[in-house]
Amino acid sequence: QKEVEQNSGPLSVPEGAIASLNCTYSDRVSQSFFWYRQYSGKSPELIMSIYSNGDKEDGRFTAQLNKASQYVSLLIRDSQPSDSATYLCAVRNRDDKIIFGKGTRLHILP
Amino acid sequence: EADIYQTPRYLVIGTGKKITLECSQTMGHDKMYWYQQDPGMELHLIHYSYGVNSTEKGDLSSESTVSRIRTEHFPLTLESARPSHTSQYLCASSDPPTGQILQETQYFGPGTRLLVL
Repeated sequence: QKEVEQNSGPLSVPEGAIASLNCTYSDRVSQSFFWYRQYSGKSPELIMSIYSNGDKEDGRFTAQLNKASQYVSLLIRDSQPSDSATYLCAVRNRDDKIIFGKGTRLHILP
Repeated sequence: EADIYQTPRYLVIGTGKKITLECSQTMGHDKMYWYQQDPGMELHLIHYSYGVNSTEKGDLSSESTVSRIRTEHFPLTLESARPSHTSQYLCASSDPPTGQILQETQYFGPGTRLLVL
């Protein structure tokens, strides 16, 4: 089992709808979780970090963490064509290393 | 937010040449990382450093080497480039806010696209 798993997609969402991106992780001890956005040919940029169970909102983005289920998600409200990118989930494991998932490709349909 | 610089941004070079990819950050971060990423594929950690004179190999076997003589500088060297080294190389750095280890976050440089002919 990979340490951080994401559906590779592509996930197609109509413009204006909510995009929901999911990530599971294997290390129960993990404490820090991150979502990065990566446009094609560019480097990853941090969108959000979350450390506690529950929801964390920042503008159109909401990160959700459920440590009991080892599950972290990212919701994008009012999806825009500019949100089309690959979204990387990252988790800090017990060895203090940040492990990245393979990423989910999101395509917002105009 | 970290300021991380990578040079060159693009490099086309012949097989057998020695190359050094530069990475510098101006935030005084102790931790620095090199990742390799092929188009549309996942990030692979190839080297990391937790401070001056500290270097470790990452999860992906790489023929490259790194050095960390100064905090702000973490160059990656390929002694003899091969077509299989063609990829994008991403440098990152991180340091936790004082007393807040959980909030340590990695910030990435713009990357170097390497093409070995």
